[in-house]
Amino acid sequence: SQQGEEDPQALSIQEGENATMNCSYKTSINNLQWYRQNSGRGLVHLILIRSNEREKHSGRLRVTLDTSKKSSSLLITASRAADTASYFCATQGAQKLVFGQGTRLTINP
Amino acid sequence: DTAVSQTPKYLVTQMGNDKSIKCEQNLGHDTMYWYKQDSKKFLKIMFSYNNKELIINETVPNRFSPKSPDKAHLNLHINSLELGDSAVYFCASSPRTGNTGELFFGEGSRLTVL
Repeated sequence: SQQGEEDPQALSIQEGENATMNCSYKTSINNLQWYRQNSGRGLVHLILIRSNEREKHSGRLRVTLDTSKKSSSLLITASRAADTASYFCATQGAQKLVFGQGTRLTINP
Repeated sequence: DTAVSQTPKYLVTQMGNDKSIKCEQNLGHDTMYWYKQDSKKFLKIMFSYNNKELIINETVPNRFSPKSPDKAHLNLHINSLELGDSAVYFCASSPRTGNTGELFFGEGSRLTVL
């Protein structure tokens, strides 16, 4: 299926460290997006990377995309307690955006 | 000010009942969606409407009936509720269908079927 699969499912790090989450998918895509979901809240869009792009930055976020390996990574640098959330990758096909199961990130003070 | 708003936020009901969840967006977007998030956080698309027209119906049981009276509203009606319908239902919108840019999500409606 087109569905992205995040790895790891859960990640716990100390504040100030970098956090890396990975996403793999199976079919060709138009773009790949990352979203954040705080506990009990809706998803919030973080960044979109198109299939012809390899890397994109937004503040402390860095996203890479390797279409030959059908994988993407999200790096959050200098993590903060407020970054504690679930992070989802979503792959854009012809008509719809398909989400993975997410990585649960916990930042410990 | 809320861009995508859903009501109610919480819904607790008995098996067999019928319930509705309402969604409104004030972003002027053409496309609206319903997603279901299960207890394992897996988020699955259910329906997509573009300017009141059904675009995507992801083999959802016909007990689920979306209705879009205008492009700013997409409601979800569920008949004969079952235990497995318990989940968080998210409404979302995007400027256009097809090669979607970012989606804007509501805060979710947590449905619990007893």
